[in-house]
Amino acid sequence: EVQLVESGGGLVQPGGSLRLSCAASGFTFDSHWMNWVRQAPGKGLEWVASIKQDGSEKYYVDSVKGRFTISRDNAKNSLYLQMNSLRAEDTAVYYCARDGVAPGIYYDYWGQGTLVTVFS
Amino acid sequence: EIVMTQSPATLSMSPGERVTLSCRASQSISSYLAWYQQKPGQAPRLLIYGASTRATGIPARFSGSGSGTEFTLTISSLQSEDFAVYYCQQHNNWPWTFGQGTKVEIK
Repeated sequence: EVQLVESGGGLVQPGGSLRLSCAASGFTFDSHWMNWVRQAPGKGLEWVASIKQDGSEKYYVDSVKGRFTISRDNAKNSLYLQMNSLRAEDTAVYYCARDGVAPGIYYDYWGQGTLVTVFS
Repeated sequence: EIVMTQSPATLSMSPGERVTLSCRASQSISSYLAWYQQKPGQAPRLLIYGASTRATGIPARFSGSGSGTEFTLTISSLQSEDFAVYYCQQHNNWPWTFGQGTKVEIK
């Protein structure tokens, strides 16, 4: 059974940092692109970042470029999101999501999410 | 960036009815469209990818169609567990973008 379990969310002040983690199990982790997708309270879904199987390619939504860094450790079956210079608009539930097998990036399995709240 | 537009924003339906949700892309995305279902307090669940391929374990009452810029998700006979928000997402071009969602509520 595919499982994705996020951790690391919490309360942080503007300008602060957080590191999110996602522990993956039940599938061959290094065979899939992995992603972070977020959802602000009461709002829709927004893709945040993606990383290739070997970590050689990374993509970010424009609003987080230069502030967030996606990474992975295939030996530990883990995905990470380092979030720096946090802003109020980064407040959201952050989901770890696995890429599916068809072309392009879509999300066939999701974690339960971890809440990040940026407040002053 | 490809903009995805869903309509309507809300649908009020009764159990057993046929439901049709629409999603439009601002430019052609071939058949690279996914649909997700999200219930309150839960993570989204993949229903359809490649415009018409059902994901693992998804009931046959869910079907997707379309190509280019116009897409449809159909629920053939609405069940109580289907009341939720539905999102479309294009997986043709970076950045991968979602529609704003359609809420299917009980009439």
